[in-house]
Amino acid sequence: EPEVTQTPSHQVTQMGQEVILRCVPISNHLYFYWYRQILGQKVEFLVSFYNNEISEKSEIFDDQFSVERPDGSNFTLKIRSTKLEDSAMYFCASSTAGRRGTEAFFGQGTRLTVV
Amino acid sequence: GNSVTQMEGPVTLSEEAFLTINCTYTATGYPSLFWYVQYPGEGLQLLLKATKADDKGSNKGFEATYRKETTSFHLEKGSVQVSDSAVYFCALRHGSSNTGKLIFGQGTTLQVKP
Repeated sequence: EPEVTQTPSHQVTQMGQEVILRCVPISNHLYFYWYRQILGQKVEFLVSFYNNEISEKSEIFDDQFSVERPDGSNFTLKIRSTKLEDSAMYFCASSTAGRRGTEAFFGQGTRLTVV
Repeated sequence: GNSVTQMEGPVTLSEEAFLTINCTYTATGYPSLFWYVQYPGEGLQLLLKATKADDKGSNKGFEATYRKETTSFHLEKGSVQVSDSAVYFCALRHGSSNTGKLIFGQGTTLQVKP
């Protein structure tokens, strides 16, 4: 069964360092997303990406964040200069369409710890 | 704005007990509603969904009915198993959104004891 894969599963980084979280969405999907979950809190939307550009982003997704689809298979989230409050589980997701009834498929997540 | 509220957990039940996890939403228009489940060490998996009022989503013995009059989408299962222990997330996708953004509730942890 096709699945979304994320690497690494756990990343520890020092405050101020850049990190890149990687995702391989399902191959025929067109819409890509990043969400995050701070420990004990809600899963929060960060950004959606379609047709090689950001289609929507949340207030959390400030200038420190960027996304890229560098080739036909990978979808990355870069945090330019990490802060302690960026520590969270980051989920990548993909779907075939943006319509309201369409299922989004999620990866297993990357746990980012900023020290 | 759009939001989802779930009952607080953890919910602890004995095997074969009846489960209800409450979910209410606030949204304009006609959102689609989802329940996702996260088993320990795994990602979010879609459990069931409903796209319009009075629709019932069902999967693996779980059910939820889209109630527009009460803006609710409560998750139920008649007889839980130990293997149902997980975190359950209620979510909505707004009707006018064409980006597919999901809005999640805070999650409810279910623990089922043998």
